[in-house]
Amino acid sequence: DADVTQTPRNRITKTGKRIMLECSQTKGHDRMYWYRQDPGLGLRLIYYSFDVKDINKGEISDGYSVSRQAQAKFSLSLESAIPNQTALYFCATSDYSTSGRSYEQYFGPGTRLTVT
Amino acid sequence: AQSVTQLDSQVPVFEEAPVELRCNYSSSVSVYLFWYVQYPNQGLQLLLKYLSGSTLVKGINGFEAEFNKSQTSFHLRKPSVHISDTAEYFCAVSSLIQGAQKLVFGQGTRLTINP
Repeated sequence: DADVTQTPRNRITKTGKRIMLECSQTKGHDRMYWYRQDPGLGLRLIYYSFDVKDINKGEISDGYSVSRQAQAKFSLSLESAIPNQTALYFCATSDYSTSGRSYEQYFGPGTRLTVT
Repeated sequence: AQSVTQLDSQVPVFEEAPVELRCNYSSSVSVYLFWYVQYPNQGLQLLLKYLSGSTLVKGINGFEAEFNKSQTSFHLRKPSVHISDTAEYFCAVSSLIQGAQKLVFGQGTRLTINP
């Protein structure tokens, strides 16, 4: 079984609809992240969470919200979807070392979202 | 602010030829460096990483990268590519930003292997 799972894998929705993307992990990591990928732009950080009570905005958080329901679950919501939110969305996790540094991140398979 | 530049958006090469994917970063502090690969319709998978020590880092699938601090580069190389190496490759830098360790990604390089 995959360590980081995302649901749904594909979603088509209409402008103005609310949509939630879900991420679950079995790696036991404290830190979780949401990114979006657009062609030619790489991955950009939307939100990140270092534990259940810690939520932080990334570089492109406008139009998005998140919920950390448990250590293993981190959901991304689009309150009112718009076409320029059409993208590939990735969830990731990382470990927390005693030095306070995170090293590599482990990615889910992605959710392809299309807003029409 | 930290940034990562991948100098080539697309790199076509013939099978069994060598390849180099270029990555430059800007940071005034210590960094950790990574290369990730994304195969078609899949998530990102770690190829290799530089945390400290030897500047030549070996990864999976025959890839290696060299950390050059003076040139702020972390180029990825493979001496002989295969069709299965066709994928998008992302360079990333992990550094402290506003008190938190974060990954900053380059724009990606699409590697296409031709028979």
